[in-house]
Amino acid sequence: AQSVTQLGSHVSVSEGALVLLRCNYSSSVPPYLFWYVQYPNQGLQLLLKYTTGATLVKGINGFEAEFKKSETSFHLTKPSAHMSDAAEYFCAVRRDSGGSNYKLTFGKGTLLTVNP
Amino acid sequence: DARVTQTPRHKVTEMGQEVTMRCQPILGHNTVFWYRQTMMQGLELLAYFRNRAPLDDSGMPKDRFSAEMPDATLATLKIQPSEPRDSAVYFCASGPDLSGSLYNEQFFGPGTRLTVL
Repeated sequence: AQSVTQLGSHVSVSEGALVLLRCNYSSSVPPYLFWYVQYPNQGLQLLLKYTTGATLVKGINGFEAEFKKSETSFHLTKPSAHMSDAAEYFCAVRRDSGGSNYKLTFGKGTLLTVNP
Repeated sequence: DARVTQTPRHKVTEMGQEVTMRCQPILGHNTVFWYRQTMMQGLELLAYFRNRAPLDDSGMPKDRFSAEMPDATLATLKIQPSEPRDSAVYFCASGPDLSGSLYNEQFFGPGTRLTVL
């Protein structure tokens, strides 16, 4: 079975500071990993994904994440936070569902606050 | 700019009433998902449709919930009768079903915030 743990339900950074949102996963098969962002009163939007290949994945809005198999981690980073980055971020892993490629297990989310 | 639309955006109802939530997937997408988001449980997959056929509704309480796709442009999620524990945000997502793809992205709608009193 797959699971996702996001460390820290709330992260607060200053504008211009490094953003680091942590995600650890467990998976019985090679994982496909995702980060989604949810702005207030909106649906989830895909930030980036890792399936195979390069372990450093770049996404939209300057975010990137690195897949580290030895650490079972997929942390999300951005060098310099912007006020518009304030949102909730969800890490997800694709479930192993008998070949189905649609089921995702989501973490509980991390709320990012950016202070001026 | 193609988007998934959901109606209503907010719904307040009393326990025992029927609730119907509607979703219009992005034109051309042939997979539709219903999710429920709560503080306690986070995001849960309720149902999954492909080409309008329900393929998986294992996450949905069968006694009171039902999901249908009357046509390719409309998906519905009904709760009858509703209960206070059904209060949540319900998201619809759609995506292309690309044969052989490693992963087919899901595009989320803005959600319906349901409050059952």
